[in-house]
Amino acid sequence: GAVVSQHPSWVICKSGTSVKIECRSLDFQATTMFWYRQFPKQSLMLMATSNEGSKATYEQGVEKDKFLINHASLTLSTLTVTSAHPEDSSFYICSARTSGAYNEQFFGPGTRLTVL
Amino acid sequence: GESVGLHLPTLSVQEGDNSIINCAYSNSASDYFIWYKQESGKGPQFIIDIRSNMDKRQGQRVTVLLNKTVKHLSLQIAATQPGDSAVYFCAESGTSYGKLTFGQGTILTVHP
Repeated sequence: GAVVSQHPSWVICKSGTSVKIECRSLDFQATTMFWYRQFPKQSLMLMATSNEGSKATYEQGVEKDKFLINHASLTLSTLTVTSAHPEDSSFYICSARTSGAYNEQFFGPGTRLTVL
Repeated sequence: GESVGLHLPTLSVQEGDNSIINCAYSNSASDYFIWYKQESGKGPQFIIDIRSNMDKRQGQRVTVLLNKTVKHLSLQIAATQPGDSAVYFCAESGTSYGKLTFGQGTILTVHP
């Protein structure tokens, strides 16, 4: 089956530093990758949609200069949280899908970010 | 804006019982619906999906029902097992773009 990995699985950083999270599709080519954020006991909220070779599309209210997304290849997308603050602490989840109208999204295992 | 929501935030059942988890959606343009299971500290796991041209779809121990008239989606789990304990999310997509909108989630607890 399609596998999506994320690295790291958890990270602790100091306030003001930047953190990069990688999302990889291991056995398929992902034309589109999605980044979600999930706070404790809440649902997944879509942050941005990333298409290979083009700029990411951000959801309303998500700062593109703070959450930098790069989708340089069909198997890798990265999310960089710049100048992280404690309120950015959350569970970040990526998903990947191939082209097609109803293709399933395959989710990564998530990355737990804690900003001190 | 448009949203997908759930009627019940928690559901507790006994092992062996059937479980029904409900979801209401408000976007009438939604044409693809998915149920996900999320265990603590993990990403969502696909359970079953259904397109708007169907009203029922069955999988292994799971059935999804779609009522477009009242914009309601349900997930039925037969012979619920302790391993089914998790948070269940419905999600909908209204375009071929593939963007998903998630519901609030229902915590299912299965007691042995």
